Amino acid sequence: DQQVKQNSPSLSVQEGRISILNCDYTNSMFDYFLWYKKYPAEGPTFLISISSIKDKNEDGRFTVFLNKSAKHLSLHIVPSQPGDSAVYFCAASVAGSARQLTFGSGTQLTVLP
Amino acid sequence: DTAVSQTPKYLVTQMGNDKSIKCEQNLGHDTMYWYKQDSKKFLKIMFSYNNKELIINETVPNRFSPKSPDKAHLNLHINSLELGDSAVYFCASSQATGVGTDTQYFGPGTRLTVL
Repeated sequence: DQQVKQNSPSLSVQEGRISILNCDYTNSMFDYFLWYKKYPAEGPTFLISISSIKDKNEDGRFTVFLNKSAKHLSLHIVPSQPGDSAVYFCAASVAGSARQLTFGSGTQLTVLP
Repeated sequence: DTAVSQTPKYLVTQMGNDKSIKCEQNLGHDTMYWYKQDSKKFLKIMFSYNNKELIINETVPNRFSPKSPDKAHLNLHINSLELGDSAVYFCASSQATGVGTDTQYFGPGTRLTVL
């Protein structure tokens, strides 16, 4: 039972355009959401996060939007660069005694020059 | 200046063998984790240790035994390896558990292949 879903396994975008990666979740107890970027043969690298008390968080070219009523979050990358080509994982956690992350299956983003 | 390191990066072994994967973090974090990335690319939590104490133990065969000699290290020992254990194993660490928010930082992964 996947509690965090990334329904698009891949996405291709032209350099300079906007990349939008989507993530849906089912567990209404999730209160913290993160995006990780992963290059081949490397570990996931933290990119940006958002608390459930917010609906938007921005860091440079990266913005995460959270729609709690729809249980949906998205990552916007503007402008997209070839170096952004990687697998992007959405993750979520529940407040409690242990901050266990539940990951989606990832979306492979390819930014075309 | 690696924050979370794992050794070895690649591990090829025969079914039935016992092997260990080591993890070290120099971030001063008090919580460490082991994740398994399976063939479908899902990252799933296996264990979590906070200050050398086990706090998460997901449904993992007892052939897998984590060991934390100190809060900077969390090693994973696997007995009687099976074909289905082939996967990439990631170690991670974070500063806090259950207090506000925390971000986990991952090691480069260990690709285990069981023949």
